[in-house]
Formats: sequence, structure tokens, C-alpha cells
Amino acid sequence: SYVLTQPPSVSVAPGRTASLTCGGHNIGGKGVHWFRQRPGQAPVLVIHYDSDRPSGIPERFSGSNSGNTATLTINRVEAGDEADYYCQVWNSGTDHVVFGGGTKLTVL
Amino acid sequence: QVQLVQSGAELRKPGALVKVSCKASGYSFSKYGISWVRQAPGRGLEWLGWINVYTGYTNYAQKFQGRVTMATDTSTTTVYLELRSLRSADTAVYYCARDEAGQVPDSWGQGTLVTVSS
Repeated sequence: SYVLTQPPSVSVAPGRTASLTCGGHNIGGKGVHWFRQRPGQAPVLVIHYDSDRPSGIPERFSGSNSGNTATLTINRVEAGDEADYYCQVWNSGTDHVVFGGGTKLTVL
Repeated sequence: QVQLVQSGAELRKPGALVKVSCKASGYSFSKYGISWVRQAPGRGLEWLGWINVYTGYTNYAQKFQGRVTMATDTSTTTVYLELRSLRSADTAVYYCARDEAGQVPDSWGQGTLVTVSS
């Protein structure tokens, strides 16, 4: 089965840039989606198909995907960005949805 | 706006079954499928499967084959998840999410806590 690897935690100071990575074999050939989950809330889609922002998501959120790593970048980080972030792909080989283990973003 | 409203929390004994509902509104129901995703306490997201609400076609994660059933009632725009032979490891919040083709869950319900305990 396809495995997505995310670092368990990332810390960043307010106003700085956070880069959250998602590793997978040839992930650059797949569409990667990112979800933000605040404590006690349901996940929210913040980036789909590598770099597209759904309506209502600030321009501070961007994504990229190449080789074996996809990256979610959050510019000018705010306290409200503190959350768990999950990457996700669709594995065409099994026709199944796969999630990474999640990264807890802490705003210092 | 897209709304997915799930049924309330459930408590079940090991070996029992649970049925969770998810009522959809605010979009063309038949044009999107529904994925079910769960999250055990303190853990990450786990996909259970997807249903095409128009055809009834289902695609279950291998881990849950034989224990899960997803169904839809188009007259009430409601989708159901049934999980059988429950064990303590099934204790989790279960989410439904709109998902056009079983590839990207784009709008999520509020979640339903299922607790399995004797």
C-alpha cells in the first residue's frame, strides 16, 4: 500500500513562514491535497490538486509537489494557523484514499 | 452552502454494530459521492471507503471489507455507515465527507463519536 510520511511536529514564530512536507514514492505524479484540523473540529480542505486553493482559503496558503515530496507553505503565520495538517492522495493502484500521519503546527 | 449533518454519539458493546447517518444539503446530491473517514482518539485520519450515491457503487478500504456497509437514501439525501463486529479499536470519531469521485473529500460533516466499551 502507498505510504505518506509527515513530520510529527513543526514550530514557527508568528509572521514567519511554515513549510510542511509530505513524502511518498513518486508523489510528484499524484495529486496531493492538504487538510487543516483545529482541535475539536472537523478537517478543512486548504489545498487541492497540489496547489489550488478552495474558495475562502487565504492566499497565505500555497502548495507544491515534485519528485518524492509535496510541501504546504503557510506565509505570515498567525496564531489561528495552529492546527494539525494532513496530506492526502488517491492511490490509483488500489483506488483508495490515503492520508499521511499528520503534522502538528505550533505557533510559538 | 454545503452542509453534512451527522447523527449523535453512540455507545456500543464489543461485538455489536453501529449505524451512523449523514444528511446532505446545499448541493446537487446525486452529483457527488460520500467518503467516510474516522479518527481514533489522539490519532490521524483513516479512510473507510466511498459510496456513489447515484449508482450505489461502493469502494471499501481493504481493512474494513466484510465489516462495513455504506448505503444511501436519495429520497432524504442521507447516507449511512454501518460497522459490525465492533471492538475497542473502533472507538473513534467518524466523519462523512462530500467526495465527487472517491478521491478528494472536500466538505466534512461535524463527526460522530462512536465508543465501544463493555
